[in-house]
Amino acid sequence: KQEVTQIPAALSVPEGENLVLNCSFTDSAIYNLQWFRQDPGKGLTSLLLIQSSQREQTSGRLNASLDKSSGRSTLYIAASQPGDSATYLCAVSKGAGTASKLTFGTGTRLQVTL
Amino acid sequence: GAVVSQHPSWVICKSGTSVKIECRSLDFQATTMFWYRQFPKQSLMLMATSNEGSKATYEQGVEKDKFLINHASLTLSTLTVTSAHPEDSSFYICSARLEGFNNSPLHFGNGTRLTVT
Repeated sequence: KQEVTQIPAALSVPEGENLVLNCSFTDSAIYNLQWFRQDPGKGLTSLLLIQSSQREQTSGRLNASLDKSSGRSTLYIAASQPGDSATYLCAVSKGAGTASKLTFGTGTRLQVTL
Repeated sequence: GAVVSQHPSWVICKSGTSVKIECRSLDFQATTMFWYRQFPKQSLMLMATSNEGSKATYEQGVEKDKFLINHASLTLSTLTVTSAHPEDSSFYICSARLEGFNNSPLHFGNGTRLTVT
């Protein structure tokens, strides 16, 4: 059974700092990995999706890397802003179509202070 | 971009009543939708996979008679919590993927906060 773990569980940084969120998964036979953002009481917003054949994806100040063989992914946030405060979730998919159900990590609650 | 709409965003009901939650893909078709449940400060747990025109596939430990799923069209899936009890109080979220785009990300609704009194 796939298990996804995220470290740290919570993180507080001052505005402007660069930071790294970690995600690890036990079964390396994944189809893709996705990073999400969740604001309190809200649904999920997809940030980045990395296919199993890819090493990284970038969007603006966000960069996600994937090391499938070691079961790890990182989300790098550059020049953090207070608006980045949210819970960040990583999730892995085992396949496509109906097999594309996601297994979620435990999340990292990020707070960016002024 | 692809939008998934969930309704209602929150609902309070009395113990023993049933509650229906709707999940709609607004600008795309989805033969498959997923229903998740999230307890406070915990991650999302998949409850079931909703398949258009056929029976839903439930995850282990999820009571199919309690959580009824209907996916009657390519843009609508419903989750009905039957005979709700306080322990069913949770945040329910649905998601869908653009049909034919297996490499596209899953799109999520904004969730429904259910409180059973």
